[in-house]
Amino acid sequence: GESVGLHLPTLSVQEGDNSIINCAYSNSASDYFIWYKQESGKGPQFIIDIRSNMDKRQGQRVTVLLNKTVKHLSLQIAATQPGDSAVYFCAENRAYNQGGKLIFGQGTELSVKP
Amino acid sequence: GAVVSQHPSRVICKSGTSVKIECRSLDFQATTMFWYRQFPKKSLMLMATSNEGSKATYEQGVEKDKFLINHASLTLSTLTVTSAHPEDSSFYICSARRYLGTGDSPLHFGNGTRLTVT
Repeated sequence: GESVGLHLPTLSVQEGDNSIINCAYSNSASDYFIWYKQESGKGPQFIIDIRSNMDKRQGQRVTVLLNKTVKHLSLQIAATQPGDSAVYFCAENRAYNQGGKLIFGQGTELSVKP
Repeated sequence: GAVVSQHPSRVICKSGTSVKIECRSLDFQATTMFWYRQFPKKSLMLMATSNEGSKATYEQGVEKDKFLINHASLTLSTLTVTSAHPEDSSFYICSARRYLGTGDSPLHFGNGTRLTVT
């Protein structure tokens, strides 16, 4: 079935560098996307979201880019810190008439080297 | 912010017994809650959508008689793993959506329950 997938399972960056985590989605009808951070043994933590009427949204040290033409989503983390080490998931929100479900991608494990 | 509490955080049970996991939205009402399952190094897999006052909607391949879901109030949903087997050992995570009245809003997640069936 359709799913949201990520290009890379692992990403290693140097502390202070910028990180870019990518995600591809396949359901063209999806209009809302969310990035989550999950630390070991914990539930996902909301980072940032974006609706399909936008192509960029910025938060504190994070930016999400949405390219609907190629169904691609990315999360940029500026000045990556050791505390950013975690697994990052993009999630695709299905429309209300599809149950309003949140479907998760594969996940990317980010490791920050000091 | 929106807080979702899940209990217990860890549980060990013997094969054949049942285990109940509670999910509570602490500072908001949730007409809909979602239950996920996660295996090590894997993504979250949606099991079912829990609807307050009505039957849960299960995803394809999820046994509704094995994973009983009850959503008796606007702040509480429970997942009962019945006649547990070792293959049911997993990390179970609940979530709830806090509607802000302005369109889509993110799900807020509990901290999960680590179930080990011996």
